[in-house]
Formats: sequence, structure tokens, C-alpha cells
Amino acid sequence: GQNIDQPTEMTATEGAIVQINCTYQTSGFNGLFWYQQHAGEAPTFLSYNVLDGLEEKGRFSSFLSRSKGYSYLLLKELQMKDSASYLCAVRDRRELIWGLGTSLAVNP
Amino acid sequence: GAVVSQHPSWVICKSGTSVKIECRSLDFQATTMFWYRQFPKKSLMLMATSNEGSKATYEQGVEKDKFLINHASLTLSTLTVTSAHPEDSSFYICSARGGSGSPSSYEQYFGPGTRLTVT
Repeated sequence: GQNIDQPTEMTATEGAIVQINCTYQTSGFNGLFWYQQHAGEAPTFLSYNVLDGLEEKGRFSSFLSRSKGYSYLLLKELQMKDSASYLCAVRDRRELIWGLGTSLAVNP
Repeated sequence: GAVVSQHPSWVICKSGTSVKIECRSLDFQATTMFWYRQFPKKSLMLMATSNEGSKATYEQGVEKDKFLINHASLTLSTLTVTSAHPEDSSFYICSARGGSGSPSSYEQYFGPGTRLTVT
């Protein structure tokens, strides 16, 4: 079956680094996405990985290992505004399969 | 980046009435549009996928006659919740994806969402 796992909740301190993991089992693979979603708002695109390796974009980086069915999102220099839900999604043959999201709380 | 708008951003309606939600891609042609609903603190649930000019593909468990989707042009899709009931109250989000060759061919761009409350 199709399955995407990520931790439900995480807590970190302002200025620190946090890594949010995502493991997946899907019938096909055409890319992995990370989205950020603040409460009451729609998701916003953070990153896209289709090949193995690390993609860096400012304070955010995303890593993919297709052989392990594994990805992580790395957030550096955490800010209070980074408190949000982080959604991992995998495109299988047809469309996006969504994880349940990781709720990140950044404390001062 | 590509922009997707949704209208209205929130709506309150009485039970038994119908509500139409519009989703527009403002600066790109969206060959495929997606409709999601999301309950508080829950993940996105895909309701249906629509391609311009053809009938929408509904996910299992989503009533086609209750959630009418029209994707009449490359920039507009509508979701009509017919005979709404309180259990239809939710956050409805659309997203759009362009065709191959466009900058947005792999990414889905999300609208800001519509909060529907049925009383």
C-alpha cells in the first residue's frame, strides 16, 4: 500500500537546527515535496527532490534517498515564524500522496 | 511564482443551500486542478482531480453529485457543494499544475483556501 510517515510533533528552540524526517512506501516515485502550512492557511511549497542528494535553499534544505525511501527537511537558524506544520508528499504514478504533517513548535 | 486565487475566502451558508467556490490560476495555464478538503489538525484529503475540458476524477468516498466540479477553462475550476449540511463544514483548498513544458509542470500551486461553515 501507499504510506508516508513523519513525526506528529516536534519542538525546537529559536536559533537552533531541526531535522524533520519522512519515510515513504509508494507504488511509484516521481518526486518528493515538502510544504509548510500555517494554521488556517493553505500549504506553501518549500522544496522538491527527484534525485538523491541534498537540495539547499536558504535556511531550508531537503535530502532524498530513493533506495531507502527516506527524506528529511532541515531548518537552520530557526525563527518563531517557522512554527507551522510541515507536510511531506510523494508523487506516485498519478498524484500526490500526503503525509499527516509534522507540527513544529519553535520556542524562544 | 505562479499564483492561484480562490474565492470566496470564507462563506457561511444555511443547511440545504448550495455554495460555489472558484479557483483561478492567475499567471499560468493550469491543465490540472485539484480540490482538497482539510479538517482541523488533519492532513489534506484529495477530493478530486480535474483536467481542463474533461470530467473530474473523484477519489473513493467522495460523492460526485454532491461536490460538482467544473474545469471549463485553463484558468478556472469551480467546486459546488450542493445541498450543504453541517458535516460539510471544512477548509477547502484548490491547487493547480501546469502542463509539460511550463515552469509549473511538476509543482502544485495552492490557493489560499475557502473556509465553509454550514449552519
